[in-house]
Amino acid sequence: SQKIEQNSEALNIQEGKTATLTCNYTNYSPAYLQWYRQDPGRGPVFLLLIRENEKEKRKERLKVTFDTTLKQSLFHITASQPADSATYLCALRGTGRRALTFGSGTRLQVQP
Amino acid sequence: DAGVIQSPRHEVTEMGQEVTLRCKPISGHNSLFWYRQTMMRGLELLIYFNNNVPIDDSGMPEDRFSAKMPNASFSTLKIQPSEPRDSAVYFCASSPTSGMSIYNEQFFGPGTRLTVL
Repeated sequence: SQKIEQNSEALNIQEGKTATLTCNYTNYSPAYLQWYRQDPGRGPVFLLLIRENEKEKRKERLKVTFDTTLKQSLFHITASQPADSATYLCALRGTGRRALTFGSGTRLQVQP
Repeated sequence: DAGVIQSPRHEVTEMGQEVTLRCKPISGHNSLFWYRQTMMRGLELLIYFNNNVPIDDSGMPEDRFSAKMPNASFSTLKIQPSEPRDSAVYFCASSPTSGMSIYNEQFFGPGTRLTVL
């Protein structure tokens, strides 16, 4: 069955360090993968999209990698700040279904 | 732009009552999505519309759920009758796509927190 896995345990890091979040998938052949940020009580907000033929994408302090062989995407936040504390969701399109499927998200807590 | 607008923001109702959630997408967006989010199941797509036409409703839990999009600027999600297990946060999102492409980002509303007692 199709599955998207994100670490359900919260990631706690110190301010200034690099946060790395993982998104693994099985039984998908996604052409693209997206990352969203969600703050408590709010809807998800789009951050980055990476295509299957792109190994890496950057936007300011954010970096996303996409390895279709490992079926994995890594999401990095460099020089992390307490304001980066949120839940981060990955999303991709399910096979045979023209719609996004979201992972369960990983909560990031950046300590000052 | 005001973004995606949802109402009400909070709804508390009793089991068996009808619940109607409302959504106004971003002007010019021609795809609209309804999601449900719970701790147990995460963010699940219920239904999506393209140019006001329902394209995929396979995520709608059962016949108690129905959704309409009478025009490009308004959509409703109705639950009748409601049950305690329907308690969740319901999100509406819109996207400037024609067809359903993951290429375009989705813009989410603030959500409606539904509690069914």
